[in-house]
Order: sequence, then structure tokens, then C-alpha cells
Amino acid sequence: QKEVEQDPGPLSVPEGAIVSLNCTYSNSAFQYFMWYRQYSRKGPELLMYTYSSGNKEDGRFTAQVDKSSKYISLFIRDSQPSDSATYLCAMSVSLAAGNKLTFGGGTRVLVKP
Amino acid sequence: GAVVSQHPSRVICKSGTSVKIECRSLDFQATTMFWYRQFPKQSLMLMATSNEGSKATYEQGVEKDKFLINHASLTLSTLTVTSAHPEDSSFYICSARDSRQLYGYTFGSGTRLTVV
Repeated sequence: QKEVEQDPGPLSVPEGAIVSLNCTYSNSAFQYFMWYRQYSRKGPELLMYTYSSGNKEDGRFTAQVDKSSKYISLFIRDSQPSDSATYLCAMSVSLAAGNKLTFGGGTRVLVKP
Repeated sequence: GAVVSQHPSRVICKSGTSVKIECRSLDFQATTMFWYRQFPKQSLMLMATSNEGSKATYEQGVEKDKFLINHASLTLSTLTVTSAHPEDSSFYICSARDSRQLYGYTFGSGTRLTVV
């Protein structure tokens, strides 16, 4: 079993719809949670980050963490064709200098005009 | 924000030759850099953690002698794929840790390696 599970998709939605993404994890020591967006043949870029449980909102993006269920979510409101990309969740026990991130497998999202 | 430059973006080499990929942090010093490999439609697989001035830490199953990592300065890490074979063809991505930011893991734009 992978440490972080993420549905690969693809997830196809019409423009303007809400995109709902999620990851589950097995390591209860994870405390720092991130969402990255990756366009084809590009490096990932950080979208959202949260610490421990709770919600965080930034523009059209909302990140949620439920540590009791070991479940994190990312919601994208008013989706645009430019949101079409692969979304990767990542998490870490610590953010100390040498600490690595553990990634989910990524979910491909396609927003159709 | 923090910027990581990775070169080349694309390289084609003959089987048996070596290829060097550079990763530079442009506006910050990175004591730690990470090297990933990504196959089509798959996630990032961490290959090694590169520490400035010391030996890299490789993940299990990654051949140290095949994937040479050098982190000689606070702004530059290199990955050399030695004696490349077609199965080494992949997308390689580096990430540098910007200690000025709590969530400062910045990624390069990746290198598409094709071994023919």
C-alpha cells in the first residue's frame, strides 16, 4: 500500500464547475500538507499549503485537512480551462531543511470550455 | 518568489553516453536539493537528496554509480546519468529547499531525457 493514495483520474468537468480532489494517507505523523499543480512537461508549482487540520482558502482554491480520517481535499471553484493540469498532493512530517515530501500519484483534471 | 532553473530542458543522447543535468537556485541559497524522476502519467519518484558539501542520500533502489549527484555550491546541484540506456529515458525534475520560506520547496521545469 502506498503511503499517499490519489485517484489518477482523469477528472473531466465543464467550465465553471467545482473541481473536487482528494488524497488519503496512512502515516499519522504527517503534519504539513501541500497541493501542487503540474502542467504537461513542466515542474510542479505550489498552490496551497496547510498545517495540521482545518481549512484554508485562497481565491478560488480551498484546501481541507482531516487528520482524524487521514484525508485531505482541494476544491477549485469556478473552474477554467487553464486549470486543466495534473494536481499532486504532497505531505511531510517536518519542514526541516533536509526533509523530503511524499507525493500522491496525481490527478489529471480537464476543464472543458 | 524563489526560482529554480534547470537545464537542459530536453536532451537526446546515444546509448552508452553520459548526460549532465544542472539545477540552480537563482535567488536563494539551497543547502538541500532533491532529484525526482517522473514517468508519463505517474507521480514524482524521489531519487536522491542532495546536500551541499556532502554526499547525496539515495532512495532505495536507485543506483548511486549510475546517477551521480554533485552539490558543490549552495546554488548548484548536478545529476549525471552515466552510461545511459533507453530505460533511463524519463522526465527528471529537481527541487530546491528555500529555507526562508516554511513551505519553500521550489521545482525546476524538468529535463526530458531520451536515450536512443
